[in-house]
Amino acid sequence: QVQLVQSGAEVKKPGDSVKVSCKASGYTFTSQGISWVRQAPGQGLEWMGWISPYNGNRNYAQKFQGRVTMTTDTPTSTVYLEVRSLRSDDTAVYYCARVPYGSGSWFDPWGQGTLVTVSS
Amino acid sequence: QSVLTQPPSASGTPGQRVTISCSGGRSNIGGNSVYWYQQLPGTAPRLLIYKNNQRPSGVPDRFSGSKSGTSASLAISGLRSEDEADYYCAAWDDSLNGGVFGGGTKLTVL
Repeated sequence: QVQLVQSGAEVKKPGDSVKVSCKASGYTFTSQGISWVRQAPGQGLEWMGWISPYNGNRNYAQKFQGRVTMTTDTPTSTVYLEVRSLRSDDTAVYYCARVPYGSGSWFDPWGQGTLVTVSS
Repeated sequence: QSVLTQPPSASGTPGQRVTISCSGGRSNIGGNSVYWYQQLPGTAPRLLIYKNNQRPSGVPDRFSGSKSGTSASLAISGLRSEDEADYYCAAWDDSLNGGVFGGGTKLTVL
């Protein structure tokens, strides 16, 4: 079955960087995109951006441009999200989700989530 | 402030029908498909409705979606205790060139 498995929880200090992984299985990795969505504690969902494992094209939400990088590793069917210059308000659960090309908000399935805690 | 507007809460008794609204604009709901997600406590969101009114396999037909103009709604009939969750609408926004979500609606089954 289609599955996205994310890396484990992280604790970082303000100013640090974090890199979260999302390993896909059960489908042809390059046939669909991957989006990242985050959820701060007790808050709603926030779209961060999208990457195409087929050609590496990326589209980041304006809020995160310059501070976020999404990359793919096709041999391992893994997508990475790096967030730099972490602040306390970056504390959130970060989710990856598969997205059909051309269907920007069709997220299915989702990874289990990775909690990133930013604290001094 | 979310781009799409949902009521923060909704409630109903078992067996009732409840609806959750989602309001947007021409650049998002008005020109693109709407998606609905269910998030049970402590879990990742799950796709409930795609392309305005389509149900993925495994989603009970008690859940239905509709869209008209710049608004959409999710209806849940025959409400059950296990439907108690947060519900989010989502769409693509052509002006922002990105995905947007509603703020979420917490559904309580009384």
